[in-house]
Amino acid sequence: AQSVTQLGSHVSVSEGALVLLRCNYSSSVPPYLFWYVQYPNQGLQLLLKYTTGATLVKGINGFEAEFKKSETSFHLTKPSAHMSDAAEYFCAVSEGTGFQKLVFGTGTRLLVSP
Amino acid sequence: GAVVSQHPSRVICKSGTSVKIECRSLDFQATTMFWYRQFPKQSLMLMATSNEGSKATYEQGVEKDKFLINHASLTLSTLTVTSAHPEDSSFYICSSCPRENYGYTFGSGTRLTVV
Repeated sequence: AQSVTQLGSHVSVSEGALVLLRCNYSSSVPPYLFWYVQYPNQGLQLLLKYTTGATLVKGINGFEAEFKKSETSFHLTKPSAHMSDAAEYFCAVSEGTGFQKLVFGTGTRLLVSP
Repeated sequence: GAVVSQHPSRVICKSGTSVKIECRSLDFQATTMFWYRQFPKQSLMLMATSNEGSKATYEQGVEKDKFLINHASLTLSTLTVTSAHPEDSSFYICSSCPRENYGYTFGSGTRLTVV
């Protein structure tokens, strides 16, 4: 069975500071990995995904993540936080082709202070 | 592209009544639709997976007679919460995968409040 662990339910940064949201996964097959952002009372928006190929994945809004198989990690980073980045972030994993169900982490709330 | 339209966005209903939530794929054929439930400040938990023209597959612990899922066409999947109780109050979100390796597209969610 697959699982995702997100360390830290809350992360606080100052505007302009580096954002680092941690995600570790467990999967018996090569995983497909995703990061989503959720604003209050809204659905999820895809930030980026890793399927195969290049392990450093760039997404929208300046976010990127690196797939590290040896560490079973897929941490999300952004060099400089904006106030608009304040939201809930979910890491998720699925098996294989992408038509499989997604398993989500517990989420990390990013707080950005002026 | 690849938009899933979910309605209603908010609904308040009385205990014992039923509520239907619709998810429509606007520009692709949704052969599979995933239904999630999210409690406040918690993650998304998969409730069931529906495939067009066949019975839904429910996750362990989800009552299939309470959460009726219909996926009669390639563009519409519905979730009906029957005989709703206050503990069913939650945020329900649907999701589909337009094509292999594309990723998942989510509806905007439905906030259900049972009073």
